[in-house]
Amino acid sequence: DQQVKQNSPSLSVQEGRISILNCDYTNSMFDYFLWYKKYPAEGPTFLISISSIKDKNEDGRFTVFLNKSAKHLSLHIVPSQPGDSAVYFCAASSTGGGNKLTFGTGTQLKVEL
Amino acid sequence: DTGVSQNPRHKITKRGQNVTFRCDPISEHNRLYWYRQTLGQGPEFLTYFQNEAQLEKSRLLSDRFSAERPKGSFSTLEIQRTEQGDSAMYLCASSQTGTSNTFGPGTRLTVL
Repeated sequence: DQQVKQNSPSLSVQEGRISILNCDYTNSMFDYFLWYKKYPAEGPTFLISISSIKDKNEDGRFTVFLNKSAKHLSLHIVPSQPGDSAVYFCAASSTGGGNKLTFGTGTQLKVEL
Repeated sequence: DTGVSQNPRHKITKRGQNVTFRCDPISEHNRLYWYRQTLGQGPEFLTYFQNEAQLEKSRLLSDRFSAERPKGSFSTLEIQRTEQGDSAMYLCASSQTGTSNTFGPGTRLTVL
């Protein structure tokens, strides 16, 4: 049972354009959502997060949007840069869950020159 | 503090052998987690500790797996009688209560 889903295994975007990565979840108990970035042979690196009491959080070029009624979140990267090329994982946790994370399967982003 | 460290980074073993991995978390973090990642999948939660207490174990953690965190500092993950299906990246992460998980670089296990 995949509680966090990333339905696009890959995404290709031109440098300078917007990258939009999507994530859906099924567990209504999730109340905290995170995006991680992963390069090959490294552990995931925290990027940005959002609490369920908000619908938007912004940090520099990265913005996360949360639509609770649709159980959907998205990560916007603008402008996209070649160094953004990596696998992006959506993750979720619930209060009382000890900060343990449930991850999606990831989206491979490629930013082309 | 340079972050979460894991040793070894790579381990190749023969089926049936026992292996042990070590994780050193960020020193002020009271929570420590183990995850496993296989090709094409996201990390899957295995177990977590708050200080020295193991508070939760996933059903993915069979009887052949055991984790410890003596004195609430570093942690070890042991796999007994390894099987080829155990081949994966084993990730350790740590956090302070209410914060995001900070991950280490992982230990890649290959079981021949």
